[in-house]
Amino acid sequence: DQQVKQNSPSLSVQEGRISILNCDYTNSMFDYFLWYKKYPAEGPTFLISISSIKDKNEDGRFTVFLNKSAKHLSLHIVPSQPGDSAVYFCAGDFGQNFVFGPGTRLSVLP
Amino acid sequence: DVKVTQSSRYLVKRTGEKVFLECVQDMDHENMFWYRQDPGLGLRLIYFSYDVKMKEKGDIPEGYSVSREKKERFSLILESASTNQTSMYLCATTRTADEGPQHFGDGTRLSIL
Repeated sequence: DQQVKQNSPSLSVQEGRISILNCDYTNSMFDYFLWYKKYPAEGPTFLISISSIKDKNEDGRFTVFLNKSAKHLSLHIVPSQPGDSAVYFCAGDFGQNFVFGPGTRLSVLP
Repeated sequence: DVKVTQSSRYLVKRTGEKVFLECVQDMDHENMFWYRQDPGLGLRLIYFSYDVKMKEKGDIPEGYSVSREKKERFSLILESASTNQTSMYLCATTRTADEGPQHFGDGTRLSIL
């Protein structure tokens, strides 16, 4: 039973356009959500997070939206750059119990 | 910057061998984690530790054990390696129980033949 789902295994976007990565969860206990980016042959690096009491958090080109009633969150990258090409993992957290989604591979085309 | 170092980037072992994966962090973090990453499954938690000599099972502990004799070092042990343990293994840390994002090592790609 996957508590965190990323239903799109891959996504391709043109450079300069918006990338939208989606994540759905089933566990209502999550009080924190995080996005990580992973390049090949490297460990995941933390990107942005959002507390369950908020519905939006913004950091530069990255914005995360949380819809608690729908148990859905999304990561928006605007504008997308070729260096954003990576695998993106969504994770839910409650009490240091991190649960990761399967990841979405983003390709930003020049 | 936090540095999480995994001793090997690539490792090839044989079925039945005892395998040790080492992880060292340099920032005095309390919590350490071992994950495995498989295509389509994301990162799955094997074991974690919130203090020296303390350990907790994650979602998939079967076939693994861990050791944390010193705060900076967290070892993952495959008691008798099997081919279904071929995977990418990732170590992560967080400073305290209240801190959110994890800091990851670069991973060990383990192949069991």
